[in-house]
Amino acid sequence: EAGVTQFPSHSVIEKGQTVTLRCDPISGHDNLYWYRRVMGKEIKFLLHFVKESKQDESGMPNNRFLAERTGGTYSTLKVQPAELEDSGVYFCASSQDRDMDADTQYFGPGTRLTVL
Amino acid sequence: QQQVKQSPQSLIVQKGGISIINCAYENTAFDYFPWYQQFPGKGPALLIAIRPDVSEKKEGRFTISFNKSAKQFSLHIMDSQPGDSATYFCAAVLFGGATNKLIFGTGTLLAVQP
Repeated sequence: EAGVTQFPSHSVIEKGQTVTLRCDPISGHDNLYWYRRVMGKEIKFLLHFVKESKQDESGMPNNRFLAERTGGTYSTLKVQPAELEDSGVYFCASSQDRDMDADTQYFGPGTRLTVL
Repeated sequence: QQQVKQSPQSLIVQKGGISIINCAYENTAFDYFPWYQQFPGKGPALLIAIRPDVSEKKEGRFTISFNKSAKQFSLHIMDSQPGDSATYFCAAVLFGGATNKLIFGTGTLLAVQP
């Protein structure tokens, strides 16, 4: 079974540019989460999709971040325009069910974003 | 305000020794406390988890000790091996709300020396 995949693995952009990160969850997983780790700090929750619907986007830093999940499959996270403080590693995770015993979140390898 | 505090930030242990990582939390409503292990270039992966009604859980060389009254929990790695060298994150989850988001600690970089 294929795991969670993310693309690209690395992205280096200039301040003010736009970047789009992609996440492909494990097939059949309705729940998709985005997290971010800024260097040396904790991994922080950004948002949660259930299928194509945003369940919780309380962790999104500001309106420069836009997440979508087309048809309940893959998800994209767009940052426009990017700022220096957006640098970090962006992780995507998916899970099958929100039931306590079945909600193991499986993480992708992350996208390392560097904004210069 | 950080809801889950983790220490130490880094840890060096000799092969065969015991690695201990500590976490403390604020919210007594948390339902579930997982530990994630992350190797370089990979995403975090669930290692072991515990619920607050249990004081200890053991899986192989990995043990979680949970102290509900102190709001603390720790990961013990017995007979540490070089292959255990990784970053370890504790986390907490509050079930029953809109989302089962993970609330992470800041991570501990473990190096096991041969």
